[in-house]
Formats: sequence, C-alpha cells, structure tokens
Amino acid sequence: AQRVTQPEKLLSVFKGAPVELKCNYSYSGSPELFWYVQYSRQRLQLLLRHISRESIKGFTADLNKGETSFHLKKPFAQEEDSAMYYCALNCTGANSKLTFGKGITLSVRP
Amino acid sequence: DGGITQSPKYLFRKEGQNVTLSCEQNLNHDAMYWYRQDPGQGLRLIYYSQIVNDFQKGDIAEGYSVSREKKESFPLTVTSAQKNPTAFYLCASSRSLQGARGELFFGEGSRLTVL
Repeated sequence: AQRVTQPEKLLSVFKGAPVELKCNYSYSGSPELFWYVQYSRQRLQLLLRHISRESIKGFTADLNKGETSFHLKKPFAQEEDSAMYYCALNCTGANSKLTFGKGITLSVRP
Repeated sequence: DGGITQSPKYLFRKEGQNVTLSCEQNLNHDAMYWYRQDPGQGLRLIYYSQIVNDFQKGDIAEGYSVSREKKESFPLTVTSAQKNPTAFYLCASSRSLQGARGELFFGEGSRLTVL
C-alpha cells in the first residue's frame, strides 16, 4: 500500500533562512510526487510536481528513489511562504489517485 | 469564473441527522473527489468518481455516501452513521483519473459541526 510520511508538523524559521520540508514515501511501483500548498484563507493548490523539475516561488524538490524522499527546499525563506504544505503521491495505474501526507505548517518570522 | 464551488461553507447539524454537502464544477473534468481534512491527520480520501454514474470508496468511506448523476456535480452525504462527522470537507476535481498527473483543483471547503 502507498504511504506518504511528513515527519514534522511544524517548522518555524526566520526570514532569509533556508527551508527544507521533509517527505518520504512508500510505494512499490513508479511514483509521481507532488507538493501542494494552502495559504491562509486560500484554496489548496498544486505547488510543484517532480516530473516537471521546475522551481516555483523559489522552491525545488528532487525525487530521490534510493532514499524514497521528495523533500521541498528553498534557500531563503520569505514571510509569504508561511502556509500549510502537503506532500502527495500519485500511484500510477488503473485506479490512480492521490495519497496525501499529514502536512506541515511552515511559519516564517520577520 | 471557472472552478469548483462547495456549499454551504459552514453547516451545523444535530446528532442523528443526515446532511448533504454540495460540490459543483464547471471545468469539464471527468474525475471528482471528496477529502476530509482534520488537524494533524492531513487529507483523507472519502470517495472518488471517475465518470458519471460511477464512484469508488476511498480510505474512510464508512458513514458517507455520494452520487454522480451529472458530470458537474458530486454531492456528499454525511450520514448519522458517521461517528466523528465534525470536520472540514474538501471537494476536488481533475481532468481524468489516469490523466490527472497529480493536479487536483480544490474547492474552498465546507466546515461541518455536529452539535
């Protein structure tokens, strides 16, 4: 069965500090991984996906199949990055659907 | 304005009553989903539907029911059998189940409180 683990519930950093939000997954097939973000009073929305290998709002995430991880990183945090972040796993196949982690709250202090 | 509309935003219910949450989308998406969001629990899948007149149980379907009579609508009924119904409910849609490529579009959510 597929599983997504986000080991921390809260990360609090000062503005300008580096950020790493951890995500580990468990899946025997070929995974597709994503990060979703929910800003205060806004809808949950897709931040980035591993297949795109892109940087969104300064965030990047690399899929490490050896460590089964997909950590989200940003070198210099901004106050507007404060939000709830969810890692999600899409299990490819006939009944693919997203499995979400429990989420982590990122708080960036001025 | 394209997107997903959930209603009501806030709902109070007495114990023993069924309640139905509405979800409508005008994105022409085939697949629709209901998630439950609880603090510290993340998002858990209740039901999902790949196509009209078809739906599948998710991870926590007990005490819930759905219907998919129209492509744009996927209402969720929280029945009296649901032991802990107080929660924030999120509806989402995607182009298709297989072709979602992980991109779900979410509604603003409905907060249900059982008194």
